[in-house]
Order: sequence, then structure tokens, then C-alpha cells
Amino acid sequence: GAGVSQSPSNKVTEKGKDVELRCDPISGHTALYWYRQSLGQGLEFLIYFQGNSAPDKSGLPSDRFSAERTGGSVSTLTIQRTQQEDSAVYLCASSPLGEGYNEQFFGPGTRLTVL
Amino acid sequence: GESVGLHLPTLSVQEGDNSIINCAYSNSASDYFIWYKQESGKGPQFIIDIRSNMDKRQGQRVTVLLNKTVKHLSLQIAATQPGDSAVYFCAEFSETSGSRLTFGEGTQLTVNP
Repeated sequence: GAGVSQSPSNKVTEKGKDVELRCDPISGHTALYWYRQSLGQGLEFLIYFQGNSAPDKSGLPSDRFSAERTGGSVSTLTIQRTQQEDSAVYLCASSPLGEGYNEQFFGPGTRLTVL
Repeated sequence: GESVGLHLPTLSVQEGDNSIINCAYSNSASDYFIWYKQESGKGPQFIIDIRSNMDKRQGQRVTVLLNKTVKHLSLQIAATQPGDSAVYFCAEFSETSGSRLTFGEGTQLTVNP
């Protein structure tokens, strides 16, 4: 079946512009996660959605970052007034259930470059 | 201008050799430990996991060992193949820390034919 998909695969923007990154989770998966991976580093948790519960936003690095998940499916991560330090690969993952440990399935990521 | 990035720990092996990738973790309350493989330009791919009440788990050509005394996790790959070349990450999951995964820094494995 189809895996997690993300778009665009690459995004180049100028400092100060807003960007939107999209994630389509695996159909039927109730939990959705965003992570950020800076060059040569591990993944850093950003935000987590589980069903209709309030999202866990504790990993968002600043108030320039926000995310929403419409209809319990597609999610959009928005970065306002982008800065050069926002350059990274943004990875989305989904899992069948959000409660407790479940395997997280990752998308290919969006590579964001802020000039 | 020149770009500077952090350099991942690296492991270089010959095809057919066994590989051992190590990871130190910090949270003694973690409930699960997971190994992911990430090939260039792709997202992480699940390899194997182990619950904290176990010390060994085997999969196809892979074995994960957990030593809670020294907070150490290892991934052993038998008969390493060129297709195993990738960055390998360990990750922790704790019920008390929400549903997020906490990732280690990664190890670059290169398999020489």
C-alpha cells in the first residue's frame, strides 16, 4: 500500500518568507508526527497529533512554527518568517495508534533551504 | 562559502563481514528501543525494536542487544551487504514522555565490496 508522502520534496526560499510543508499519512493511521533533521544530525521531535486530541506542540522551536491536521488526515507544517537556521529536512511519520508504543512509518521528507 | 556540518561516527566494513553499531542512551525509564536505517535522500526505515525488559532480540540478519546496566544498545548485522550502507539511528520511546521518539546522533555504515 501507499506509504507516507510529503510535498514538496525540496523547497528553496528566501529569508523572511513563509513556507508550508505537506504530509499525507498512511490511510487509517490515527497518529501523525513531525520531526526535523539538521545536517548530519539525528531527528528532533516537533509536534504530534493523535485523533481529536489536542496536539503535543512541545517540540516546536519557536512561535514561527505551527501545524495543523485537517479531518484527521493531511497535515501542514507552516514556518513563518523563515530564518537560515530553519534549513533542514522536515520529516513526517504516522502510526496506526497514538497511545503507547507503535512503529512510526516515515515519509521521504522535505528538504528546506533558506537563503 | 564553505559549509561546516557535524561529522557522524563512521564504520567501514568489508562485504560479508559482521557489523556492530553502538548507541548510548540516557533515559533509564525508556520502554522501547528502536533501530532505524536511513539511506541518502530517504526517510528512516524501521529495522528492529526491543522492549526494555529484554536483553536480546533477533531479526533477519540483525540482532539487537540491550545492556541496561551501562545504558548501551547495539545493532549487529550479519554478513553485511553493500545495500546495508546507510546511516543507522537508535531511538528511545518512553510512555511517560508522550508518543515521541528520541533519536541518537546516528552512525554512517559503509560497506566496501
